[in-house]
Amino acid sequence: DIQMTQSPSSLSASVGDRVTITCQASQDISSYLNWYQQKPGKAPKLLIYGASNLETGVPSRFSGSGSGTDFTFTISSLQPEDIATYYCQQYTNLPPFTFGPGTKVDIK
Amino acid sequence: EVQLVESGGGLVQPGGSLRLSCAASGFTFNTYWMSWVRQAPGKGLEWVANIKQDGTEKYYVDSVKGRFTISRDNAKNSLYLQMNSLRAEDTAVYYCARDHYCSGGVCYTLYYDYWGQGTLVTVSS
Repeated sequence: DIQMTQSPSSLSASVGDRVTITCQASQDISSYLNWYQQKPGKAPKLLIYGASNLETGVPSRFSGSGSGTDFTFTISSLQPEDIATYYCQQYTNLPPFTFGPGTKVDIK
Repeated sequence: EVQLVESGGGLVQPGGSLRLSCAASGFTFNTYWMSWVRQAPGKGLEWVANIKQDGTEKYYVDSVKGRFTISRDNAKNSLYLQMNSLRAEDTAVYYCARDHYCSGGVCYTLYYDYWGQGTLVTVSS
């Protein structure tokens, strides 16, 4: 099975800061990497698919990059409504379609 | 508008059974794979199972193999998860999610773009 790691596990930043989260796969997953945002008590929301494609309706301050085993998720200017936990997920041909452990983002 | 609405969660004793349902609307249900994803209290997301459009292929995470069964009724636009021999570690919010679709041998939307609101399953004596 493919294992996913994320770092950091949590971070605190100021409004307007640039925030970066990294995700690493235990083997090459090409660009089959998705990013989700989850707010407390809510279902996850898709933000980025295929490593770098912005889901329709998602603000452009969110972006993703990477391929192979190393991926990056960036919020270019943190907003109060971005307080959430962010998960990466690999979606290659074979299950299980594992998620990373999550990164909790809050406001300093 | 795409909607996924789960039901069937509740409190069950260890060793017991529960059947979750997910009612889908707003899209052509029988063209998409569908998945169940769970989240234990205070923990991360865990993919549980998925099922092909016609129900002929099913996949499970190792921890539920032999205990959980995913199924679907395309006539009713519904997805199900039959959970048997439940354990305390199965306690979680269970989400159904729209999975990918395939056409002409090519698969698209390899991500979960729509999720239900979740239903809580608590396994405790």
